[in-house]
Amino acid sequence: DQQVKQNSPSLSVQEGRISILNCDYTNSMFDYFLWYKKYPAEGPTFLISISSIKDKNEDGRFTVFLNKSAKHLSLHIVPSQPGDSAVYFCAASAPTGTASKLTFGTGTRLQVTL
Amino acid sequence: DAGITQSPRHKVTETGTPVTLRCHQTENHRYMYWYRQDPGHGLRLIHYSYGVKDTDKGEVSDGYSVSRSKTEDFLLTLESATSSQTSVYFCAAARQGTETQYFGPGTRLLVL
Repeated sequence: DQQVKQNSPSLSVQEGRISILNCDYTNSMFDYFLWYKKYPAEGPTFLISISSIKDKNEDGRFTVFLNKSAKHLSLHIVPSQPGDSAVYFCAASAPTGTASKLTFGTGTRLQVTL
Repeated sequence: DAGITQSPRHKVTETGTPVTLRCHQTENHRYMYWYRQDPGHGLRLIHYSYGVKDTDKGEVSDGYSVSRSKTEDFLLTLESATSSQTSVYFCAAARQGTETQYFGPGTRLLVL
């Protein structure tokens, strides 16, 4: 049972335009959400996160929106740049009392074209 | 960045042989994790550690064991490798009290 879903395996966007990557989750216990970016042959790199007490978090060109009632979050990249071409993973965490454990989506491959 | 390195970076082995992957971190993070990445599955948690000698199972732990004898090192062992364990393995580490995990560069394992 996939608790974190990224239903779009790929997305193509022109340079300078907005990229919107979507993520849905089913577990209502998730209270922290993260986005990671991954280039080929490298490990995932942390990009931005949001706590469930917020509905928006912004860091430069990257903004994450959280809609708790819809169990949906999205990552907006504005403006998109060719270096943003990568696979983006959404991840979610629920309180455990010990180590945080992340549940990942299957990823969305973003291609930013010239 | 937790200064995470993984070794080896690539390995080819035969079915039935034992394999050990090493993860090393330099930032004294309390928590460490092993994931595998496969097409169509994203990253799935194999095992994790919440301190020296303290480990627990993740989502896909069958066929794997781990050990953590020092804060900086977390070992993943495939006791008897199978072709279904062909994958890319990532180690991660996190500071106590935070949710953000930092990943190593990965180990690509091929089991023939």
